[in-house]
This record gives sequence, structure tokens and C-alpha cells, in this order.
Amino acid sequence: GQQLNQSPQSMFIQEGEDVSMNCTSSSIFNTWLWYKQDPGEGPVLLIALYKAGELTSNGRLTAQFGITRKDSFLNISASIPSDVGIYFCAGQTRGSTLGRLYFGRGTQLTVWP
Amino acid sequence: GAGVSQSPSNKVTEKGKDVELRCDPISGHTALYWYRQSLGQGLEFLIYFQGNSAPDKSGLPSDRFSAERTGGSVSTLTIQRTQQEDSAVYLCASSFDSLTAERYGYTFGSGTRLTVV
Repeated sequence: GQQLNQSPQSMFIQEGEDVSMNCTSSSIFNTWLWYKQDPGEGPVLLIALYKAGELTSNGRLTAQFGITRKDSFLNISASIPSDVGIYFCAGQTRGSTLGRLYFGRGTQLTVWP
Repeated sequence: GAGVSQSPSNKVTEKGKDVELRCDPISGHTALYWYRQSLGQGLEFLIYFQGNSAPDKSGLPSDRFSAERTGGSVSTLTIQRTQQEDSAVYLCASSFDSLTAERYGYTFGSGTRLTVV
């Protein structure tokens, strides 16, 4: 199956700091999605990206669809304690089963007050 | 329903016993997905339903795992003769259809935490 390499695996930061995480793939992706999972809950969609080079913001979150279509990054500015959770990248790649998304291993974010 | 509902939320079972996990997708969603999340691991795809059929079940780890969906709605994931390595959170997700899934992703349930002792 498709491999999504997500990094870093974990981050420990102080409240107010900016955060950056990224995802790379060996295949071209048609869609990149970023999810956040709170403890004890399922992942929730944060941002969706559809075109190479696209830059999209959602409040303090900004994500970009890489020009090569094989990578994406997510930035969180001015982190706050409620940003704690696991962030997953996901995407759909040409040739995969219609509707099937591939997920990265996640970035565990801890924010210290 | 308003969201994806999974039951039970927690299940502790003895090694060797069978378990059934239930998923009730959002009303009207034709696509349904099962994923497994082990401690410290990402989301491992298990199976995908479109309606009642499963065009992709390539992620089922062994023949002890099976899933069905009836009436285009509720799905059941069955694990026979459970092993300790089956311990994980089993997540169900749904989307209006497969095209919607590719554009807007899935809506996940809160998962069933399975512990095999």
C-alpha cells in the first residue's frame, strides 16, 4: 500500500510557540487532508487541500499542498493548551480504491502552559 | 444519526473469545470504513464498504477478522478467537459516498477500545 511518512513523531512545545509538521509520500496525491484526534475521540478533519501549491488557513492553522504533489505541511501558530492531540495527514492517491484514504502515523503534540 | 456511533465504547475480552464491534454510520452515508489504531501507531485500514458490498477488504489482517454491512447502514466487525495483539482502538468512519470521501474525508466515530487479556 501507499506509505505516508509523517514527521515529527512527537513534539513538546511551550504555549505560544509555533508548530510545524509535514507528510511525504512516494506517490502523487490528488487530495491532502489534515485531521486532529483528541484523547478518547475519533479524528476530526481540520483542513482539506486539492491543488498543488494550494495554501489554506483555518484560524491559527495553515496547510499547504506541495508543488510536487508528494508532500504537505501543517503549521499551527501561537499554540494553546487545547492544541494537544494527535495530528494525522491523509490523502487520496491515483490508482487507489475509490474513496480509500491513506493516513500517516501521526504527530503527537504536547503543549506546556 | 447526527454522528457515527460505535458500540461498545470499551470491551475487555479473554483471549480466544469472539467479539463483535458495531458501527452505526451517519444516516444517508453509503460509504463506511473500518480502521484500527494500535498504541503509538497510525490508522491501519481494515475494510471499506460501499453500500452492502466491500470493494476493498485488503486490510483485514487475518481470516479471524470479518465484517458485514446490512441494509446499507449498520456494520459489524467480528474478530474470532481473539489474540492479545488484537488489542487496539477500532475506529469506524463514514462518508456520503466514495467521491465525497476523497474530497472531504470521512467522519469518524469515537472508536471501540478492545483489550484482550
